Amino acid sequence: DAKTTQPPSMDCAEGRAANLPCNHSTISGNEYVYWYRQIHSQGPQYIIHGLKNNETNEMASLIITEDRKSSTLILPHATLRDTAVYYCIVRSMNSGYSTLTFGKGTMLLVSP
Amino acid sequence: DVKVTQSSRYLVKRTGEKVFLECVQDMDHENMFWYRQDPGLGLRLIYFSYDVKMKEKGDIPEGYSVSREKKERFSLILESASTNQTSMYLCASSSITGGYTQYFGPGTRLTVL
Repeated sequence: DAKTTQPPSMDCAEGRAANLPCNHSTISGNEYVYWYRQIHSQGPQYIIHGLKNNETNEMASLIITEDRKSSTLILPHATLRDTAVYYCIVRSMNSGYSTLTFGKGTMLLVSP
Repeated sequence: DVKVTQSSRYLVKRTGEKVFLECVQDMDHENMFWYRQDPGLGLRLIYFSYDVKMKEKGDIPEGYSVSREKKERFSLILESASTNQTSMYLCASSSITGGYTQYFGPGTRLTVL
């Protein structure tokens, strides 16, 4: 699976959009981009995933660049409860039993 | 909603004890996983199972074993707990038809004294 690079930390004001970048320049054609988050002392929570089109669900939007070498997770109106570590993971649907490799992620701190 | 539950949120055991951590999922998922999470090391895969009675070693299986007698239940066993197994243990499940998205339980924080 391709390696990802994320900033170690980001700050966001409550109510503003949080834009979390992820670089995956070695991504291959059959690899998906997944985002998870982990609130302190809880298990990781699935947010969204995509292949090449932009995706949106009730939690967030995922914007993938045309060359697929980077992506941005957007939380449109961040709340204090969105404070968490956000993980960007790239993996192939053909990777056996779909194990995930979590990197260090981005610690997002949402402040009042 | 997918629900993955783990038997305990916090557990304290003594060195040498046999420890059972149990995970149950209610979505009929084929795949189940056990990870441990340690500061600075991220999540590391211990074992996973893709079917009843089937198991595969992950990245760090030493000192652990697993059991999957029923589809919804996946147990992690520490035969003789040691202090270096103090960690947060996370269980996850996924479905072949669900795009392999993994859903995690709340975690068990195990302390071995």
